[in-house]
Amino acid sequence: AQSVTQLDSQVPVFEEAPVELRCNYSSSVSVYLFWYVQYPNQGLQLLLKYLSGSTLVKGINGFEAEFNKSQTSFHLRKPSVHISDTAEYFCAVSDWSNDMRFGAGTRLTVKP
Amino acid sequence: DAGVIQSPRHEVTEMGQEVTLRCKPISGHDYLFWYRQTMMRGLELLIYFNNNVPIDDSGMPEDRFSAKMPNASFSTLKIQPSEPRDSAVYFCASSLPLSTGTEAFFGQGTRLTVV
Repeated sequence: AQSVTQLDSQVPVFEEAPVELRCNYSSSVSVYLFWYVQYPNQGLQLLLKYLSGSTLVKGINGFEAEFNKSQTSFHLRKPSVHISDTAEYFCAVSDWSNDMRFGAGTRLTVKP
Repeated sequence: DAGVIQSPRHEVTEMGQEVTLRCKPISGHDYLFWYRQTMMRGLELLIYFNNNVPIDDSGMPEDRFSAKMPNASFSTLKIQPSEPRDSAVYFCASSLPLSTGTEAFFGQGTRLTVV
């Protein structure tokens, strides 16, 4: 079965600074990888996903992620964050088994 | 489509009472998932259905929890009797087959408080 580890539970950063949220996965088969964002009191929204092909995936709101098969990682990055990016971010993995497993989440706090 | 619709958005109940959470998936989606989110345990998969049939319920915490999907447009998650430790946000999500690389679409969640 697949699993996901998000290495940082909280990431504080100043506005306009770059940010990287780390995600590692484990699976014995080919996987699909996702990043979701959860704003306060809301459900999860898809930021971006990796299925195959180019290892650099671009998503909404200026976020991007890079799939690294050798390191089993799928880190999320943004070159310059805004206050409005303050939210919880979840990395997720799915495969042929038709279920989706989530990491514990990383709370990104952007300070002025 | 209005997306995945969950009701109620908030539920406060007393310990020992029965609680029923409801979900309407996106039309045409044949997979439905129930997740529970807590500070301590993060986002846990409780159960998922394919074409209204429960496929994996290994995440259901105990016999007090039950889930049904009587038709393609409706699912319930029931807790009977409820306990304070069941307090959490419960999410329903739906999708086409994830094995094709599609994503799951989430509802707004039901915040359950058991006092």
